Amino acid sequence: EIVLTQSPATLSLSPGERATLSCRASQSVSTYVAWYQQKPGRGPRLLIYDASNRATGIPARFSGSGSGTDFTLTISSLEPEDFALYYCQQRNTWPPTFGGGTKVEIK
Amino acid sequence: EVHLVESGGGLVQPGGSLRLSCAVSGFTFNTYWMHWVRHAPGKRLEWVSRMNVDGSNTAYADSVKGRFTISRDNANNTLYLHMDSLRADDTAVYYCAREASYSYYDLDYWGQGTLVTVSS
Repeated sequence: EIVLTQSPATLSLSPGERATLSCRASQSVSTYVAWYQQKPGRGPRLLIYDASNRATGIPARFSGSGSGTDFTLTISSLEPEDFALYYCQQRNTWPPTFGGGTKVEIK
Repeated sequence: EVHLVESGGGLVQPGGSLRLSCAVSGFTFNTYWMHWVRHAPGKRLEWVSRMNVDGSNTAYADSVKGRFTISRDNANNTLYLHMDSLRADDTAVYYCAREASYSYYDLDYWGQGTLVTVSS
C-alpha cells in the first residue's frame, strides 16, 4: 500500500504567519490527495480534495498544490482556529491511506 | 446541517463482538456512499469499510475482511458496523464518514467517533 509521509511532525507558528505542510507519497498518486483538519474530540474535516480544490465552506486562506509524489497544504495567514492536526490522504491506489499528521501549534 | 453521530463503542474481550451505529441527519442518506475509518492509539488513520447507496456493494480493508460487516438502514438513516472476532489491535476510535458526491473516497463529513477497547 502507498505510504504517505508528512513533515514536519510539528509546526510552531504565531497567528498571522504562513504555514506550509508537506505530504510525500511512496509512489505516484497523480493528484488524488486530500487534506483534513482535526481538532480534539472531533472527527476530521475535509479541507482540500484532488490536491488543490477547496471543499465546501473552506476559507480561501487554505490552498493545496502538488502532483505525483509531493504535495503541499498552505495556510496563508494562521487564524486562532487553525491550530490543529492536519492529515493528508490518497485515493489513487486502493486501499486509501492517510499520512501520520502534522500538528500546527501556537508558538 | 449535516450530522453524524456514532454509538455502540465500549470495552469488549478478545474474540467478542460489537455493533457500532451511526445515525445521520441533515442530508439525503440514501444518495451517499458511506464509510468507516478508525484511529488506533499512536497509529495512523486507517480506512476500514465502504458501502454504496443501497447496500449492494461493499469493500473492506484486509485487516478486517471476514470479521467486520458494514450495513445500512436507509429508512432510519443509520449506518452500522458489525465487528466479530475482535482483537487487541482493533482497539481504536471508530468514525463514520460520508463520501463526497464529487469524488470517490474523499470524506466530506465525519462523526465525532466512538471508542472501542478490546481487552481482557
